[in-house]
Amino acid sequence: DTGVSQNPRHKITKRGQNVTFRCDPISEHNRLYWYRQTLGQGPEFLTYFQNEAQLEKSRLLSDRFSAERPKGSFSTLEIQRTEQGDSAMYLCASSPNSGVGTEAFFGQGTRLTVV
Amino acid sequence: RKEVEQDPGPFNVPEGATVAFNCTYSNSASQSFFWYRQDCRKEPKLLMSVYSSGNEDGRFTAQLNRASQYISLLIRDSKLSDSATYLCEYFTGSTLGRLYFGRGTQLTVWP
Repeated sequence: DTGVSQNPRHKITKRGQNVTFRCDPISEHNRLYWYRQTLGQGPEFLTYFQNEAQLEKSRLLSDRFSAERPKGSFSTLEIQRTEQGDSAMYLCASSPNSGVGTEAFFGQGTRLTVV
Repeated sequence: RKEVEQDPGPFNVPEGATVAFNCTYSNSASQSFFWYRQDCRKEPKLLMSVYSSGNEDGRFTAQLNRASQYISLLIRDSKLSDSATYLCEYFTGSTLGRLYFGRGTQLTVWP
């Protein structure tokens, strides 16, 4: 499968615990995005990378959230001291940095439930 | 003002109906536009690109109006299987540009 891969698909954690999600983008894509989505809402932008550089992080994102893409390939999203409000689907998407015609390819997401 | 404004609906239409969604954007430098389809509890998937000259794919037609800064999606002869959420997306196209998504428009087609 050469699509975007996310792991785990589901995560249940207790409030206050730390969680880490992984995203493996399509291999030739140098753009990687993280989004969060709750029921009835569109994807909410969290952060994105061009290769290993983190170009933007949403101002709505608290310091509990951090993302890395150390070698410009896979990325991890960590949430520290989880809260119930963090329960959501976390989507990763990748795209080629070709400017015009840039569409996003999404992974199947990681569904986080904080209890 | 939000980057992308999209009527969340829901739109409830009978089979065979024609339905249209609009999406307005605020960044006049936007270069690329797309419509995605998202089924319940699934990831968004590309439906079609949007060009200034319009883009038609079977029952689906997408158009871009740069002067008024909106894109549209028209679905003709709606099918039950068209029931989903439709998301608009644009890319600013600059070196540091990124993707912007609308909140999605929910469509339900009933028999």
